[in-house]
Amino acid sequence: KAGVTQTPRYLIKTRGQQVTLSCSPISGHRSVSWYQQTPGQGLQFLFEYFSETQRNKGNFPGRFSGRQFSNSRSEMNVSTLELGDSALYLCASSLDQDATNEKLFFGSGTQLSVL
Amino acid sequence: GESVGLHLPTLSVQEGDNSIINCAYSNSASDYFIWYKQESGKGPQFIIDIRSNMDKRQGQRVTVLLNKTVKHLSLQIAATQPGDSAVYFCAETYSSASKIIFGSGTRLSIRP
Repeated sequence: KAGVTQTPRYLIKTRGQQVTLSCSPISGHRSVSWYQQTPGQGLQFLFEYFSETQRNKGNFPGRFSGRQFSNSRSEMNVSTLELGDSALYLCASSLDQDATNEKLFFGSGTQLSVL
Repeated sequence: GESVGLHLPTLSVQEGDNSIINCAYSNSASDYFIWYKQESGKGPQFIIDIRSNMDKRQGQRVTVLLNKTVKHLSLQIAATQPGDSAVYFCAETYSSASKIIFGSGTRLSIRP
């Protein structure tokens, strides 16, 4: 079974631009979560989607948004990029069979650099 | 507020020795705890988990201990190998939540 796939692997943008990151969860997994990882802040929760609905959201500005499609694939978008948005963006999926929190399976992430 | 912290940011261990990585959590409502391992250039990888109705759980060369009284979690790695070099994160959540909170991580390095 293929793991969580994130594209692109690396991305370089300039301030003010916007970016869209993609995540394909493990087949059969219905929940997709996004995390931002930086050396200073560690792993910070962005949001979680289940059945195309955002179920939970972290403390990030509205410039960060996401969505989930009917096939469970997810995208996240960051608009008006700032230098501080440079980070590794990680996507994780879980089966969430009974909504009681199951272990997350992470992709390798998208490394975003904002110049 | 919610927070999951680690006692030590780095840990250096002799190859073959046992490693113990500690973690403190502050949310007494948390009932599910997970340890992840992250190698360079990769996403975090699940190691072992434990629910709050247990004190100890063992896996292959790893053991997680949970002390709910002092809100402390530890990961023990037996006979540490070079391949164990990574950053280790503890994480917590509770049943009614759909997000998992990660600690700041401990870097484990192995001395030959």
